Amino acid sequence: GAVVSQHPSWVICKSGTSVKIECRSLDFQATTMFWYRQFPKQSLMLMATSNEGSKATYEQGVEKDKFLINHASLTLSTLTVTSAHPEDSSFYICSARAGTSVTDTQYFGPGTRLTVL
Amino acid sequence: QKEVEQNSGPLSVPEGAIASLNCTYSDRGSQSFFWYRQYSGKSPELIMSIYSNGDKEDGRFTAQLNKASQYVSLLIRDSQPSDSATYLCAVRGAIYNFNKFYFGSGTKLNVKP
Repeated sequence: GAVVSQHPSWVICKSGTSVKIECRSLDFQATTMFWYRQFPKQSLMLMATSNEGSKATYEQGVEKDKFLINHASLTLSTLTVTSAHPEDSSFYICSARAGTSVTDTQYFGPGTRLTVL
Repeated sequence: QKEVEQNSGPLSVPEGAIASLNCTYSDRGSQSFFWYRQYSGKSPELIMSIYSNGDKEDGRFTAQLNKASQYVSLLIRDSQPSDSATYLCAVRGAIYNFNKFYFGSGTKLNVKP
């Protein structure tokens, strides 16, 4: 149980284009989904937290107009990188959490490696 | 002060030894603690969760929690080369910050054959 998928697993795009990444919880309903970014040899950086049906909460320094997050259902969240540039090249990882109790944890998707040329 | 602190390592241990990974956290109200393993180029995977003071064992892994000292540790017995990875400590925010998970920067473990 607790499987989270991401699609695509890797993407190469030209500078200026937009890229959409999907995150799905396959066997549970995710009350909250998180989006992280990780540069090589660096730690996870939380970008935003999203709850189904409401606007995402972005971390300080993350441009909400550039990184559009939609959490349309309890099993699907999408991250769109708009007008991508080479500095946006990174490993994007989503995670999902079921429930709201103290014992609930978050499970990570396999990640999407984005390369912007 | 960071919410979660870990020694970045690398921590090198010989195969078969016990690896001890440590983590401290700043929010005394935190109640949920997690250890994740991340292989190079992969996403983190959950190893252990712990919520009460004391030890929690799962196979070769033992998580230890001391809330008074705000300290969490992970012991890996009979370390194997396949355990070589970065280990992330995560702490869930206290009741007023319940939706937040704070991650340490990770400790890189090398298990030498």
